[in-house]
Amino acid sequence: ELKVEQNPLFLSMQEGKNYTIYCNYSTTSDRLYWYRQDPGKSLESLFVLLSNGAVKQEGRLMASLDTKARLSTLHITAAVHDLSATYFCAVDMEGGSEKLVFGKGTKLTVNP
Amino acid sequence: EPEVTQTPSHQVTQMGQEVILRCVPISNHLYFYWYRQILGQKVEFLVSFYNNEISEKSEIFDDQFSVERPDGSNFTLKIRSTKLEDSAMYFCASSELGPYNEQFFGPGTRLTVL
Repeated sequence: ELKVEQNPLFLSMQEGKNYTIYCNYSTTSDRLYWYRQDPGKSLESLFVLLSNGAVKQEGRLMASLDTKARLSTLHITAAVHDLSATYFCAVDMEGGSEKLVFGKGTKLTVNP
Repeated sequence: EPEVTQTPSHQVTQMGQEVILRCVPISNHLYFYWYRQILGQKVEFLVSFYNNEISEKSEIFDDQFSVERPDGSNFTLKIRSTKLEDSAMYFCASSELGPYNEQFFGPGTRLTVL
């Protein structure tokens, strides 16, 4: 059974600081997804990582994937208040399964 | 920009009643999904649907649940006899056929079972 673990689950940081969210998964997968969710809202796709060593950046967020370590990171650079949200990583299994298995999410609060 | 839409945004029902949640996926997408999120918890897969049939379902998706694509645009989730524990946010998602499987989520329907 595929398991996805994120840490930390809660993150409070000051504006301007850097931090990294980690996502570990338990079985082989070549595809990893990061989503953002604002309170009471839907899931917004941030990044799709498709291969080992993939790195993608959008604004102050950068995501990477190491399939050998079964690890993805979401790095936040010089955080701003607008980044406050819950961030989920999700993985789908190799072998044709299309379902996404989500981590528990990291609730990020950026304080002024 | 094309998006997944869902109706209603909020549904309140009595335990034991049937509910139908509706979704309109992105028009050129071929895979459709339902997920649910109990308040404050992670997002859980319910079912995937392709080529007019269920391609995968989770343990949560028991005989009380069914999905249908009644026409060329709508995708529905029916819960036959709701239970208190069915209270959750239900998200519909869709994706293209291809290697990416990037799933685009609708705004969700909040289901409250009393």
